[in-house]
Parts: sequence; C-alpha cells; structure tokens
Amino acid sequence: NAGVTQTPKFRVLKTGQSMTLLCAQDMNHEYMYWYRQDPGMGLRLIHYSVGEGTTAKGEVPDGYNVSRLKKQNFLLGLESAAPSQTSVYFCASRLQGNQPQHFGDGTRLSIL
Amino acid sequence: DQQVKQNSPSLSVQEGRISILNCDYTNSMFDYFLWYKKYPAEGPTFLISISSIKDKNEDGRFTVFLNKSAKHLSLHIVPSQPGDSAVYFCAASDNRDDKIIFGKGTRLHILP
Repeated sequence: NAGVTQTPKFRVLKTGQSMTLLCAQDMNHEYMYWYRQDPGMGLRLIHYSVGEGTTAKGEVPDGYNVSRLKKQNFLLGLESAAPSQTSVYFCASRLQGNQPQHFGDGTRLSIL
Repeated sequence: DQQVKQNSPSLSVQEGRISILNCDYTNSMFDYFLWYKKYPAEGPTFLISISSIKDKNEDGRFTVFLNKSAKHLSLHIVPSQPGDSAVYFCAASDNRDDKIIFGKGTRLHILP
C-alpha cells in the first residue's frame, strides 16, 4: 500500500549543483503536484500536471522544471540549486478534480 | 497575493472542548475546499472537504462550514483530543485549472 513515494528523503547540495526529485504514485491518479513548505509560508504550489505528458506552472515555478513522461511519475528538477531553494518538498496526487490529494512524506533539501 | 488565508498561526484549546479553525479566501471562482492535518516529518493527510454547493459537511468529530458570501470557511473539532495537536491547512481549488492552493496553516495545541 505505497500510495505516494518520494525519493530521496534527504539531500544536501552545493550552490549550482543540479538534482532531480522523484515522485511515484501507484493509485493510477491523473493529477500530480509539487509543493514546497517553508516556515511561516505554508505549502506553495510549484508545478502540477493534469495527465501524462502535461505540466503547468503553479505559484512559485521559477528555478524549477518538471516532467511527466509516465502517468505514475512526476519529476521535479533543479538545474542550478540556490540557497533560497532550501525547503521541504512535497508531492501529491489525486484521481481527478474535486477529489482530495494524497501526499508523500516529503524530501528535505538543503542547499549550502 | 494570498488567495487562501489562515490568520491565526496558532490556537490552544482544552481537551474535550471545541476547536474552531478559520480560513478566508479571495478567489470567488474557488468551488472545492479541503482541510488537511499535518504532523511533523510527515506529509499532510486529508481530513474533510466541502463543495461550493453545500454549506456544511460533517464526518465524525469534524465539521466544515462554508459561507460563500463571506468567502469564509471553518473547521470545528468536537470534542478535541490530544491526537488533534497538529498543523491544519485549509486549501481551495478552482475546477477550471485544477490548482489546489493552500493557506499558511494553523498550529493547534490541545491542552490536557
């Protein structure tokens, strides 16, 4: 009963390095989302996807790219990491509109 | 420009009493509203939702009220229990673009 799985759980990067965060869901959900959580800021939407091969910008998309090549996977990329991207990243999925999201347990990312 | 606002960063309630968490929104196109609960080091978990065609939805100890004219919703927890101590996020969705926007959260402390 995996649900939404995020990989890795923790990562430390140096400024300028690149990395990809992986989100995988096994519920056959159409919609997938990436959020970041910062102290006092709540959950802010980075990018989202309403189906395989589609992506759209959220509230704070700058500095990130995403891809949804397979329905079950949603990748979040940082091409050149900056200290301002230090955060906890959450992935979520849902079956369709007007349905609740299911969240992963997060990836804690530190950029030095 | 914050579309979903939770103006109380924290709230303390005696065990057994009612907890009332409030949320305001600015986008009149939001038509689906959700509450999530989050423990430290875990992803948010879905609690309860309400469609804009209703003004109340109840699930056990949890009731959500929606006042569309005031653009306000609230979550009532009765009776409050120690395990309810967590951060609660209000979220809203516009069915036209499938984004789900979150508030900053309210930390609820249930006092013994």
